Amino acid sequence: GQSLEQPSEVTAVEGAIVQINCTYQTSGFYGLSWYQQHDGGAPTFLSYNALDGLEETGRFSSFLSRSDSYGYLLLQELQMKDSASYFCAVRSDNYGQNFVFGPGTRLSVLP
Amino acid sequence: GAVVSQHPSWVICKSGTSVKIECRSLDFQATTMFWYRQFPKQSLMLMATSNEGSKATYEQGVEKDKFLINHASLTLSTLTVTSAHPEDSSFYICSARSDSGRSYNEQFFGPGTRLTVL
Repeated sequence: GQSLEQPSEVTAVEGAIVQINCTYQTSGFYGLSWYQQHDGGAPTFLSYNALDGLEETGRFSSFLSRSDSYGYLLLQELQMKDSASYFCAVRSDNYGQNFVFGPGTRLSVLP
Repeated sequence: GAVVSQHPSWVICKSGTSVKIECRSLDFQATTMFWYRQFPKQSLMLMATSNEGSKATYEQGVEKDKFLINHASLTLSTLTVTSAHPEDSSFYICSARSDSGRSYNEQFFGPGTRLTVL
């Protein structure tokens, strides 16, 4: 089977740094993506890692270790508007037909 | 760029009726479109994957005769919930990707359709 694991909830205060981990077990691996979803809204793309290492995009960074089947999303200088659910997703085939989403992590940012 | 629209954004219908939801990629050609269902505070559950001009691939446990998917063009896919019942009430989200450029690895999501069946 294919499965991804994430913590269900994370709480942090404004200005802090938070790391959301994702471990995966899939039949194939062609990249790890992260999506943000606010309540009632659609998921929006944050980042994509196909190779090992850290990708930085502003306050958000994403890391991948393929040998450990593990990645994380790092959010720095947290703001209230970052309160949302965060999903990791694995592209498990070479043709872009199979994406497996994790259960999501609900991040609450407190003042 | 890479905008995906969904229509309607919400719909309330009586039990036994059919509801059609449209998903359009507005500024790119979507090689593949995905249909998801999401319950409150839960993850996205993939229902089916569709490619233009071919039959949709349904996930295990999803009834293809109940959830009819048509991907008639590179910019339009429709999901029809036939003979809807209250247990079909959910948030339905489509996404689209293409085989070119940055959208190869990225899915662009529509705003979702909230279906309530009375």
